[in-house]
Amino acid sequence: KNQVEQSPQSLIILEGKNCTLQCNYTVSPFSNLRWYKQDTGRGPVSLTIMTFSENTKSNGRYTATLDADTKQSSLHITASQLSDSASYICVVGGGTASKLTFGTGTRLQVTL
Amino acid sequence: EAQVTQNPRYLITVTGKKLTVTCSQNMNHEYMSWYRQDPGLGLRQIYYSMNVEVTDKGDVPEGYKVSRKEKRNFPLILESPSPNQTSLYFCASGTNSYNEQFFGPGTRLTVL
Repeated sequence: KNQVEQSPQSLIILEGKNCTLQCNYTVSPFSNLRWYKQDTGRGPVSLTIMTFSENTKSNGRYTATLDADTKQSSLHITASQLSDSASYICVVGGGTASKLTFGTGTRLQVTL
Repeated sequence: EAQVTQNPRYLITVTGKKLTVTCSQNMNHEYMSWYRQDPGLGLRQIYYSMNVEVTDKGDVPEGYKVSRKEKRNFPLILESPSPNQTSLYFCASGTNSYNEQFFGPGTRLTVL
């Protein structure tokens, strides 16, 4: 069964600190891996998309890594801001990528 | 403004009363998809469409129907809603299944 597991479930950090979120998946065949940011009550917004051949991709203060051999990905947030408070969702596309498997997300809270 | 719109945003209905949630995008995207989001379960794909008149089941299609008669619209139909379909629903679109998906604002449905 295709699965995407994220850790930690929740995280609280101080503004200005860095953090790393983890994603492990068992989706096969693999097409691509996406990270989304979802503010409470709103639709997810895409941060990065990586294919099998890419092992890192950045979007501003967000940097995603992918190890397709171990089926692991991470999202690193640098110099966190209060506006980074949200849920971060790891999503894996299988085969033609038309079917997506979502993780349950990591809820990040950035505090003063 | 490029966007995905959903209507209604909020709906309270009763068991068995047919309803339709509309989804429209103005980006000329070929790929569209419906998801539901439930606490602790994350987002799950209901149906997707690769292009006009082409639709396919996602992970949780039972109790739902869709149609794609024109590129911009992808309505979600609940013929006989039941309380277990109470959820937050998101529509999304993309140029194709491999690329970034743009999500709508969500429709919160309650079935009594």
